[in-house]
Amino acid sequence: DIQMTQSPSTLSASVGDRVTITCRASQSISTWLAWYQQKPGKAPKLLIYDASSLESGVPSRFTGSGSGTEFTLTISSLQPDDFATYCCQQYNSYSWTFGQGTKVEIK
Amino acid sequence: EVQLVESGGDLVQPGGSLRLSCAASGFTFSTYGMNWVRQTPGKGLEWVSYISSRSSTIYYADSVKGRFTISRDNAKNSLYLQMSSLRAEDTAVYFCARDRGVRVGGILFDYWGQGTLVTVSS
Repeated sequence: DIQMTQSPSTLSASVGDRVTITCRASQSISTWLAWYQQKPGKAPKLLIYDASSLESGVPSRFTGSGSGTEFTLTISSLQPDDFATYCCQQYNSYSWTFGQGTKVEIK
Repeated sequence: EVQLVESGGDLVQPGGSLRLSCAASGFTFSTYGMNWVRQTPGKGLEWVSYISSRSSTIYYADSVKGRFTISRDNAKNSLYLQMSSLRAEDTAVYFCARDRGVRVGGILFDYWGQGTLVTVSS
């Protein structure tokens, strides 16, 4: 199975900061990568798919990039609503694995 | 508006059984593959099982193979997960999630329910 590793596990930032989260795959997944946002007690929300395509309705301050084994999610200017946990997921092959998550908290 | 509502979570003893349900609305349920995904504080999100739109293709994670059974009733817009021989490590919030269907062999979860809690403990 493909392992997904995110860094950092926790990130402290302020409103207005530029934030970058990294996700690495244990083998190449082309651009079959998604990013999700999750808030406590809520369902994950799809933000980015195909590594860099923005899901409809998601603010343009979210951007995704990368291919192969290394990917990044960038929030250009952190807003109060963005404090949450972010998780990557590969959909290249079974068993469609997730990263362990990155919690973005208020500095 | 797409809605997925899970139910059936409960406290169950090790070795016991439980059936989860997911009621779907706001889209043509019979044309989408569906999944169960679980989440624990320690292990994060873990895909559990997939069923294709007409139930012709089914996949399970190795951790639940032989113990869990996924099914669906397209006439009732409902997805199910029959869980048996439950273990402490099956304790989790279980989400129902739709597959966008972007590619054969790839599962992209585009809509999720709110989840239902399964606790396995004596």
